[in-house]
Amino acid sequence: EIVLTQSPATLSLSPGERATLSCRASQGVSSYLAWYQQKPGQAPRLLIYDASNRATGIPARFSGSGPGTDFTLTISSLEPEDFAVYYCQQRSNWHGITFGQGTRLEIK
Amino acid sequence: EVQLVQSGAEVKKPGESLKISCKGSGYSFTSYWIGWVRQMPGKGLEWMGIIYPGDSDTRYSPSFQGQVTISADKSISTAYLQWSSLKASDTAMYYCARLYGEAAFDIWGQGTMVTVSS
Repeated sequence: EIVLTQSPATLSLSPGERATLSCRASQGVSSYLAWYQQKPGQAPRLLIYDASNRATGIPARFSGSGPGTDFTLTISSLEPEDFAVYYCQQRSNWHGITFGQGTRLEIK
Repeated sequence: EVQLVQSGAEVKKPGESLKISCKGSGYSFTSYWIGWVRQMPGKGLEWMGIIYPGDSDTRYSPSFQGQVTISADKSISTAYLQWSSLKASDTAMYYCARLYGEAAFDIWGQGTMVTVSS
């Protein structure tokens, strides 16, 4: 199984600041990595797929980088609605699908 | 509109069986994998398995293999997740989601809350 380790567990920032979230894979996952945002009481929402492609309707302030084993989700300038939990997720043919444990982005 | 609509919340006793559903609409249901994801209270997302409704090809996470059964009825565009004998530890929110491309879940159901308590 491929393990995804997200850091930090919690990130405290203010609106307008830049957020950088990390996701490290225990082995290479090519570009098959996605990022999701989840707010309380809601289903997750796809932000980024294939490491760096924004999903439909996702604002340009969200960007992703990879591939390989180290991936980053960057939010260039935080809006109040961006404070949520973020998960990375990978799929490999041999090892199936796994999620990271999540990063909580909270208002400082 | 592309959407997945899940069945409603369930309250069950340990040892009971359960089957929850996920109905797709607005797209070709047989052309996309559907995955199931568990979220225990206050915890993260866990992948359980996926099914391709076109031919019912099914893959399970090793953590859930033998614990649940995933199926689909393409005639009514519906995927299912079932348990034969529930445990208290199955208490969680369960989401279905459509797999887009190779590796991302782009459409999610609203979730089905399953509570198992004596």
